[in-house]
Amino acid sequence: AQSVTQPDIHITVSEGASLELRCNYSYGATPYLFWYVQSPGQGLQLLLKYFSGDTLVQGIKGFEAEFKRSQSSFNLRKPSVHWSDAAEYFCAVGGANFGNEKLTFGTGTRLTIIP
Amino acid sequence: DGGITQSPKYLFRKEGQNVTLSCEQNLNHDAMYWYRQDPGQGLRLIYYSQIVNDFQKGDIAEGYSVSREKKESFPLTVTSAQKNPTAFYLCASSSGTAEAFFGQGTRLTVV
Repeated sequence: AQSVTQPDIHITVSEGASLELRCNYSYGATPYLFWYVQSPGQGLQLLLKYFSGDTLVQGIKGFEAEFKRSQSSFNLRKPSVHWSDAAEYFCAVGGANFGNEKLTFGTGTRLTIIP
Repeated sequence: DGGITQSPKYLFRKEGQNVTLSCEQNLNHDAMYWYRQDPGQGLRLIYYSQIVNDFQKGDIAEGYSVSREKKESFPLTVTSAQKNPTAFYLCASSSGTAEAFFGQGTRLTVV
């Protein structure tokens, strides 16, 4: 069965500092991987996705993520965080035809930004 | 603008009552999903539908029902059999290998 682990429930970072959010997945075939962001009381917005090719993917709002097959990881990074990045972040995994199969989400990491 | 519309944003349910959450999309997506979100538990799949007039149970389908009579619509009914319905409900849609798009959610509270 597919699964996603986000080991950090809550992370606090100073504004301007770098950020890395961890994501480990379990999937029996080639995974499709996603990072979503959620502001309080809102839906989820896609930050970036990995399907194939270059293992370093760029997303919106200055985020990037690196797919490491050997470590089953897809960590999200940002070189310098802004106060507006405070939100909850979800990693998700699906299959090659995930439009017709379910995505599996991690439990999320809540990001707090301090001045 | 294309997107997913969930209504209402807030919903209150009395004990023993059925309530229906609306989800409409104009993205021409084939697949639609309902997720439940509780603090610290991420998103859990309730039901999903790949095509009109067909749907499958997700991980926590007990106490919920859905229909898919039109491609654009995938309403979720929270029945009285759902013992703990207070949660944030998210609807999503996707097509082929494109990413899932989410609505803004409905917060359901039992009063």
